[in-house]
Amino acid sequence: AQKITQTQPGMFVQEKEAVTLDCTYDTSDQSYGLFWYKQPSSGEMIFLIYQGSYDEQNATEGRYSLNFQKARKSANLVISASQLGDSAMYFCAMRVYNFNKFYFGSGTKLNVKP
Amino acid sequence: GAVVSQHPSWVICKSGTSVKIECRSLDFQATTMFWYRQFPKQSLMLMATSNEGSKATYEQGVEKDKFLINHASLTLSTLTVTSAHPEDSSFYICSASNKLKDTQYFGPGTRLTVL
Repeated sequence: AQKITQTQPGMFVQEKEAVTLDCTYDTSDQSYGLFWYKQPSSGEMIFLIYQGSYDEQNATEGRYSLNFQKARKSANLVISASQLGDSAMYFCAMRVYNFNKFYFGSGTKLNVKP
Repeated sequence: GAVVSQHPSWVICKSGTSVKIECRSLDFQATTMFWYRQFPKQSLMLMATSNEGSKATYEQGVEKDKFLINHASLTLSTLTVTSAHPEDSSFYICSASNKLKDTQYFGPGTRLTVL
């Protein structure tokens, strides 16, 4: 069975500090991709970062980096230098290529304090 | 990134009527489109996966006769909620993908309210 787990329903971080959002996954497939999406209160889903299961280096996109630990089946999102505009829901997702669909975690609501 | 539009952005309808939601990929050809439903403060729930030119694959528990999905071209998929009832009120989001090892690009969502 495929499963994504986000254990932090809500988090607070001070502006300009770094924050880590946790994500663990479960799959028996060897070929998959891990994604993080941001959903502001407007409802739109914004793609942030992608990590392939065969990628040896951790993905980075600007202030976002993905701490990929394959043996532990974790794919944590690190946001550096938090900004007020980072306040939103964050979803971790996994795409198992054999099934060609995405599995989503329950989300983490991040609040950035000024 | 690629752009996906969704129309309408919100709709209010009477119970028993049908509502059609369109999802278009504007600048790429989407071999696969996904339809999700999201309740307040919850995650996205996959309803169905739609591949161009073939029948949609529905997730367990999703009524295919109630939620009709058509993926007529590489840029357009539609979701029709037939005989809508208040419990169908929700936020519906589509997404599109053209490569397996790639993200899905989301539409802005449609907020459906059934009175």
